[in-house]
Amino acid sequence: NAGVTQTPKFRILKIGQSMTLQCTQDMNHNYMYWYRQDPGMGLKLIYYSVGAGITDKGEVPNGYNVSRSTTEDFPLRLELAAPSQTSVYFCASRGSNTGELFFGEGSRLTVL
Amino acid sequence: QQQVKQSPQSLIVQKGGISIINCAYENTAFDYFPWYQQFPGKGPALLIAIRPDVSEKKEGRFTISFNKSAKQFSLHIMDSQPGDSATYFCAASPGSSNTGKLIFGQGTTLQVKP
Repeated sequence: NAGVTQTPKFRILKIGQSMTLQCTQDMNHNYMYWYRQDPGMGLKLIYYSVGAGITDKGEVPNGYNVSRSTTEDFPLRLELAAPSQTSVYFCASRGSNTGELFFGEGSRLTVL
Repeated sequence: QQQVKQSPQSLIVQKGGISIINCAYENTAFDYFPWYQQFPGKGPALLIAIRPDVSEKKEGRFTISFNKSAKQFSLHIMDSQPGDSATYFCAASPGSSNTGKLIFGQGTTLQVKP
């Protein structure tokens, strides 16, 4: 089982560039989440989705956008990258009848 | 307050010892308290979770102790092993909706020395 798959694993961006982090899950989960992880800060929720066509902001949404056109995919868009967006990004999904989040292996982004 | 405060930031334990990580929260609406384990280069994975209707939950060497009145919960790792070396996150889920959003603590890096 693939679970939650994130691409790319590593990326270096220049300030002002844009990119999309891809996330796909094969567990037919309705709920999907994007977190960022910074040293000593834990994981902060960027955006989440409770189903196809429905998204909402988390704790730190500024500078990011998401879409959810299918159950499987939940891409995260970074517009006008800034050094403050240097982080490790994790996508996660959850089924309707459990509290357990299943995480991908992360995407490490550096903005120079 | 939507914060979960975790301590210590790092912990070194000898093999066979007990590792204890503590978390505190303010929001009494939180109703689900999981612990996640993360190895380097990997995503977090659920280790053990508890709901506030019980004071303790044990799974193998891992135990959650929950004190509802103090709004604190802790993870105890008995007979700690080098393979337990990882980063541990506590979390809490706001119970006001069913979105499953988790508020994470800051993380604890555990090193178990052989």
